[in-house]
Amino acid sequence: AQSVTQLDSQVPVFEEAPVELRCNYSSSVSVYLFWYVQYPNQGLQLLLKYLSGSTLVKGINGFEAEFNKSQTSFHLRKPSVHISDTAEYFCAVSLLGYSTLTFGKGTMLLVSP
Amino acid sequence: EAGVTQFPSHSVIEKGQTVTLRCDPISGHDNLYWYRRVMGKEIKFLLHFVKESKQDESGMPNNRFLAERTGGTYSTLKVQPAELEDSGVYFCASRKTGVSPGELFFGEGSRLTVL
Repeated sequence: AQSVTQLDSQVPVFEEAPVELRCNYSSSVSVYLFWYVQYPNQGLQLLLKYLSGSTLVKGINGFEAEFNKSQTSFHLRKPSVHISDTAEYFCAVSLLGYSTLTFGKGTMLLVSP
Repeated sequence: EAGVTQFPSHSVIEKGQTVTLRCDPISGHDNLYWYRRVMGKEIKFLLHFVKESKQDESGMPNNRFLAERTGGTYSTLKVQPAELEDSGVYFCASRKTGVSPGELFFGEGSRLTVL
C-alpha cells in the first residue's frame, strides 16, 4: 500500500520569503503525484501534478514541485510567498491506472506581513 | 459552470441519530468520490462511483455507512446510526472520464459533529 508523509504540520513564513513544503511518499509501484491546496472555507483545489516527463512541474499561483524518484520526494516550492498563499497544502499520490488519491496529513502555510 | 456542491455544510447530531449528506457533482462528471477527514488525520478515501455503479468502496468504514447515486447524478451518504468517531469533514469530489487521473474537483465539504 502507498503512503504519504508531510512532516511539517505548520510552516510559518514572512511575506516575500521563499518556502518549501516537504512531501515524501512510499510505494512499491510507480505513482502519480499531486499537490492540492485548501483556502479557508473552500474545497480542495489542484495546485499541480506529476504524471510523467520532466521532473520539475509548475502549477498555479507561482508554485512548483520537483519529483525525486531516488528520494521518493515531491517537495513544493515558491520563491516568494504572499499573504494570500495562507492555506493548507496537501500532497497526494495515486497508483498508475487508478484515480483514487492517498493524501498526506496536510501542511498549514501561515504567511505573515 | 457550477462546481461540486455539498449539503449541509455543517450538521450537529446526537449519537445514534441518522444523517444524510448530499453531493451534486459538476455536470457531465461520471466519476464521483467521497472522502473523509477526521480531525488531525489524513483525508481518507471512502468510495468511488462511476455513474450509478460503485467502482470501489474499499474505504467505507463499516455497514453504518450507505452511499447511493441513483440515476448517476447526485449522491447521498447516509450514516445510521451515527457514532462519535464519525465526526469529521466529508468531502465529495468529481472527475470527468478521460481527464488526467487524480485531477479531482472537490466540494467545500460537509462538517459532521456527533455529540
